[in-house]
Amino acid sequence: DTGVSQDPRHKITKRGQNVTFRCDPISEHNRLYWYRQTLGQGPEFLTYFQNEAQLEKSRLLSDRFSAERPKGSFSTLEIQRTEQGDSAMYLCASSIQTGPAADTQYFGPGTRLTVL
Amino acid sequence: AQTVTQSQPEMSVQEAETVTLSCTYDTSESDYYLFWYKQPPSRQMILVIRQEAYKQQNATENRFSVNFQKAAKSFSLKISDSQLGDAAMYFCALQGGSEKLVFGKGTKLTVNP
Repeated sequence: DTGVSQDPRHKITKRGQNVTFRCDPISEHNRLYWYRQTLGQGPEFLTYFQNEAQLEKSRLLSDRFSAERPKGSFSTLEIQRTEQGDSAMYLCASSIQTGPAADTQYFGPGTRLTVL
Repeated sequence: AQTVTQSQPEMSVQEAETVTLSCTYDTSESDYYLFWYKQPPSRQMILVIRQEAYKQQNATENRFSVNFQKAAKSFSLKISDSQLGDAAMYFCALQGGSEKLVFGKGTKLTVNP
């Protein structure tokens, strides 16, 4: 396994611009998760996919955020009309469903977004 | 709502000594799982140890072990024979009722040589 990869690793944008991040999960992992981590806080759940289906979204997730996983492999997270409050580390994780027990989620290195 | 509380923002330990990181949680789920993740500076988060709530036996992974007190909703992490490479942010996380992880705010561990 090559691990979860994310691109880009860093993104600086101006307020009001749209940004898109990509996550490539560990191959054959059918579940993919997005989290956001701000300075001094633990990661906060945003959304998760099982294969191509988006099964859960955080109620805190603004309508400006959208995520896709069109072929059940990589995923993209888009933020429209960025705001300074969107500045954070965006983490992707993946897992494989092996039975009724909870999966272990494997995290990528994250994309650090700075909104000026 | 599920919550995870880590009451120690920072901890320090001497190399080769033992340190315990605290975590308490709250959930109404009867079936849940608890995790400790490590996040070294500028590096990605990795799993340290996991505990199934239905198991009474405390999980261990080499130098890492947990003290799981279900009635008290407590899940502490003990690191024995601390090494310089153990220096990191440690996050306690809870999973129950859905696939998402709920994290605490983390504890920054410093290992002094």
